[in-house]
Amino acid sequence: EADIYQTPRYLVIGTGKKITLECSQTMGHDKMYWYQQDPGMELHLIHYSYGVNSTEKGDLSSESTVSRIRTEHFPLTLESARPSHTSQYLCASSPDIPNQPQHFGDGTRLSIL
Amino acid sequence: TQLLEQSPQFLSIQEGENLTVYCNSSSVFSSLQWYRQEPGEGPVLLVTVVTGGEVKKLKRLTFQFGDARKDSSLHITAAQPGDTGLYLCAGDDEYSGAGSYQLTFGKGTKLSVIP
Repeated sequence: EADIYQTPRYLVIGTGKKITLECSQTMGHDKMYWYQQDPGMELHLIHYSYGVNSTEKGDLSSESTVSRIRTEHFPLTLESARPSHTSQYLCASSPDIPNQPQHFGDGTRLSIL
Repeated sequence: TQLLEQSPQFLSIQEGENLTVYCNSSSVFSSLQWYRQEPGEGPVLLVTVVTGGEVKKLKRLTFQFGDARKDSSLHITAAQPGDTGLYLCAGDDEYSGAGSYQLTFGKGTKLSVIP
């Protein structure tokens, strides 16, 4: 049962376009995360949030930005897409309790031409 | 920065064989989680181990947390093609206080089980 939703699932778009990847969760989790992952490879944390109006950069530098205006919503934006942004982007959430797992969406596969 | 080393990175075996995947670190974790990710999907939690020396079983999968809480292993008995996927371990920081803001993920083990 998917309680965290990402849209779109797939996006093919030209260089220079502005892109917003959507992520919503219905579990009331305070913490949310964005990861970048090449197919079958390791996860790289690019952004995370502790709660509303909180955003932090992750371990991997990214040209994307995020916002957290509502608890359930954590969109990621690329102002001007480039081919190097081609990847899979995974959103996750977790409660603010120790030792709790992260719940992942199914990801957005982004291809920049 | 804490690191989790997973081995092997790739594993291809025949259906029915047994295998073990390892997750090692020099750091202590308050808990360790194992996830499986199938192509085109997000990772899904398999198990969380919390106590040093803990062993958990999930059907043909056996998970063990090291006594010192620095390492873990996943053993699969009689592997099946449905076990194919990317297996990720992730550690929750022992010393980050109540509610770690992020997990430390290993790079994953890509398992292929050939029919």
